[in-house]
Amino acid sequence: GQQVMQIPQYQHVQEGEDFTTYCNSSTTLSNIQWYKQRPGGHPVFLIQLVKSGEVKKQKRLTFQFGEAKKNSSLHITATQTTDVGTYFCAVSGSARQLTFGSGTQLTVLP
Amino acid sequence: DAGVIQSPRHEVTEMGQEVTLRCKPISGHNSLFWYRQTMMRGLELLIYFNNNVPIDDSGMPEDRFSAKMPNASFSTLKIQPSEPRDSAVYFCASLQGQGNTEAFFGQGTRLTVV
Repeated sequence: GQQVMQIPQYQHVQEGEDFTTYCNSSTTLSNIQWYKQRPGGHPVFLIQLVKSGEVKKQKRLTFQFGEAKKNSSLHITATQTTDVGTYFCAVSGSARQLTFGSGTQLTVLP
Repeated sequence: DAGVIQSPRHEVTEMGQEVTLRCKPISGHNSLFWYRQTMMRGLELLIYFNNNVPIDDSGMPEDRFSAKMPNASFSTLKIQPSEPRDSAVYFCASLQGQGNTEAFFGQGTRLTVV
């Protein structure tokens, strides 16, 4: 299946600082999804990006899909303690199988 | 809908015992996935089904692992015999398909093999 590399693995930020996580692929992706997993919880769908150069916003979260559809980013502005968790990108294959990146674990220090 | 339902939530078993994890997908969803999550390996796709048919089980680590989906509303993941290295959180997820690729996850089963 398709592979995506996700960086960084861990990120500690002070509350109010910004945060960004990146996903990169060596091949062109048909789409990319982002999920959030709270500590002790299960992954929860955030958004799907499909179009080249697409940018979507959800309140303080901004999602981007690269022009070549090989990379994507999730940016959080002014982090809050409620943003704590692990953020995963995931790619959908031709048979709808979902392969997840390694995730970025975000810690927000109050 | 109650979402994806997994049971049990926690399972502690002795090495060598058989373990069966259960999943009820969301009604109307055509695809079902089994994932294993560990600190070392992250979220690994073990197997997935489309319309109750196993499509790819290349992620299943060994012959000790098997999965079935006898009907659209039920799936099992069995480990026989279990080993300590199988300790992990096992997630089941389903998605509707037909253009909608958002996956819904169950709460997971935390398996501990001692």
